[in-house]
Amino acid sequence: AQSVSQHNHHVILSEAASLELGCNYSYGGTVNLFWYVQYPGQHLQLLLKYFSGDPLVKGIKGFEAEFIKSKFSFNLRKPSVQWSDTAEYFCAVNGGGADGLTFGKGTHLIIQP
Amino acid sequence: EPEVTQTPSHQVTQMGQEVILRCVPISNHLYFYWYRQILGQKVEFLVSFYNNEISEKSEIFDDQFSVERPDGSNFTLKIRSTKLEDSAMYFCASRNSDTQYFGPGTRLTVL
Repeated sequence: AQSVSQHNHHVILSEAASLELGCNYSYGGTVNLFWYVQYPGQHLQLLLKYFSGDPLVKGIKGFEAEFIKSKFSFNLRKPSVQWSDTAEYFCAVNGGGADGLTFGKGTHLIIQP
Repeated sequence: EPEVTQTPSHQVTQMGQEVILRCVPISNHLYFYWYRQILGQKVEFLVSFYNNEISEKSEIFDDQFSVERPDGSNFTLKIRSTKLEDSAMYFCASRNSDTQYFGPGTRLTVL
């Protein structure tokens, strides 16, 4: 079975700080990896995804993530955060014939102006 | 931009009652999903649906749950006899290619 760990449950940063949110998954086969974001009062939206190819993927709003197969990781990064990045961030995975997404617990990010 | 919609946004019911949660997936999507999130816990996969049948389900999706696509636009989740532990946020999602698009959720409260 697949599982996803997000180590940072709450992160507080100041505007312009750099961001890195950790995500590790456990599954030995081929996986598809996703980061979703949920802004206050809104629904889950896709930030970026990795299926194959270049392990460094770029998403919307200046976010990027790097797939490191040897570390089973897919960490999310942004060089300079803005107040509007305050949200809940979810890492998710599927693969191996399973279509349903397995989510991490989420990271609540607060950006202080 | 097309979106997944869900109704109602909040449903309150008594234990033992049946509830039906409704979703309208994005119109050209062929794959449909239900997830739930109990307060303070992870978003959990319940079931996927394709070509008018369940294609995958989790161990959470027991005989109390059923899904249906009653017409060309709606996708429903029925809980036959609700329990207190069914209180959660229920999310519908749909996809056509490789990305699942989520609706805003229905908050179900079982009293």
